[in-house]
Amino acid sequence: GQQLNQSPQSMFIQEGEDVSMNCTSSSIFNTWLWYKQDPGEGPVLLIALYKAGELTSNGRLTAQFGITRKDSFLNISASIPSDVGIYFCAGQFGYGQNFVFGPGTRLSVLP
Amino acid sequence: DVKVTQSSRYLVKRTGEKVFLECVQDMDHENMFWYRQDPGLGLRLIYFSYDVKMKEKGDIPEGYSVSREKKERFSLILESASTNQTSMYLCASSPAPQASGSNEQFFGPGTRLTVL
Repeated sequence: GQQLNQSPQSMFIQEGEDVSMNCTSSSIFNTWLWYKQDPGEGPVLLIALYKAGELTSNGRLTAQFGITRKDSFLNISASIPSDVGIYFCAGQFGYGQNFVFGPGTRLSVLP
Repeated sequence: DVKVTQSSRYLVKRTGEKVFLECVQDMDHENMFWYRQDPGLGLRLIYFSYDVKMKEKGDIPEGYSVSREKKERFSLILESASTNQTSMYLCASSPAPQASGSNEQFFGPGTRLTVL
C-alpha cells in the first residue's frame, strides 16, 4: 500500500528550542493532517491542510502543505515539556478517500 | 467538541477467546474506522464503515470482523483472539465529506489489548 515517511524518527531537544519535522510521500495528496499522540492516548488533530502551499498555524504550531503536494512540514516554536509525544502526519489522495498515516516522529523535550 | 469513546482502555484476553471492542461517537458522523497501532508500523486500517449496516475491509482485515447496527456505534470483533493481535486499537470517526466540507478523522483514546 501507499506509505508516508516521517523525518526524523525521533528527536531530543532542549526546552525553548524550535522543532521541525516533515512528512513525505511518493504520491500526490490533496489533504494533509497533523496529529499529536500523548502516551497511552489516542491521536489528537492539530492542523488540517487542504491546498498546496497553504501555511496554517495553531498556537506555537505551524504546518505547511508542500508545493509539490508530496510533502508537508510541521514546526513547533519555543518547545515546552508538554510538547512531548508522537507526531503523526496523514495524507489523503482524493476527497472522501481513506487517509494514509506516517509512522510518527517521537519528540522528547529536555528541561 | 467531537467525542469518540471506547469501551475499555485496557483489556487482557486469552488465546481463542472472542473479543468485542466497542466505539461510540456523539457527533452524528457517517464514517467510522478501526485501526491498530504497533511500534514502527504506525496506524493500519482494519475496517471502516460509511453508513449503518455498511462495512468495508481496510488494509489488514484478516482475523477481524465489524458490526455497525447504529450510526453512533462501531464494534470490532476478534472471533478467536491470537497473540499476534496484541496491540493498541484505535477507533475514529469523521463526517461525510459532502456534509461538512472536510472529513478529518477524530480518534478515541484507544484500547490496549493483550492476548495471552
